[in-house]
Amino acid sequence: GQQLNQSPQSMFIQEGEDVSMNCTSSSIFNTWLWYKQDPGEGPVLLIALYKAGELTSNGRLTAQFGITRKDSFLNISASIPSDVGIYFCAGRVTGANSKLTFGKGITLSVRP
Amino acid sequence: ETGVTQSPTHLIKTRGQQVTLRCSSQSGHNTVSWYQQALGQGPQFIFQYYREEENGRGNFPPRFSGLQFPNYSSELNVNALELDDSALYLCASSLGGRRTDTQYFGPGTRLTVL
Repeated sequence: GQQLNQSPQSMFIQEGEDVSMNCTSSSIFNTWLWYKQDPGEGPVLLIALYKAGELTSNGRLTAQFGITRKDSFLNISASIPSDVGIYFCAGRVTGANSKLTFGKGITLSVRP
Repeated sequence: ETGVTQSPTHLIKTRGQQVTLRCSSQSGHNTVSWYQQALGQGPQFIFQYYREEENGRGNFPPRFSGLQFPNYSSELNVNALELDDSALYLCASSLGGRRTDTQYFGPGTRLTVL
């Protein structure tokens, strides 16, 4: 099935550093979401974006809905060890159902 | 914690068997979506139930079926299990029908098919 494009597959950063993740699609989405998944758990919603160009923050996390509606980015500032996990972007097209289309995820490792 | 619960946590089955997975939605939510997450992949949409009716289906064969009950809990049934059905099965609940509808995921059921 269709998936959003997230790369690289893994990122390694030093504690305290900022990190940015990008997500792109060949088709338009009306909503972009960012989730984090820890081992053995379901994805947890970090940020939801509903309007092209929207910039939203949640603590140390900032995400933007691309103006073309085909991309989004997530920035984590001043990383800490508990930021370790898999970060997924997901897109949704407004319609009969609210199914989410996910990327493959980026595994983030934070070195103390 | 989202309030979405799933059972069982883990399950081992053999090829050809049938399995039923269960999901209790968050209080007040009337929509349940099911996703399959293979190892190293993002979740893939299976189908969604809204007020007890199927409301959209992904690219999965008919041997994947579901139900939603009057209390909005849901079941996912898979018949004639294949090795490739081994995955984490996630359900997500939401209050459907709104543009800002947000899906909250449960912890998942890990299915292993031998």
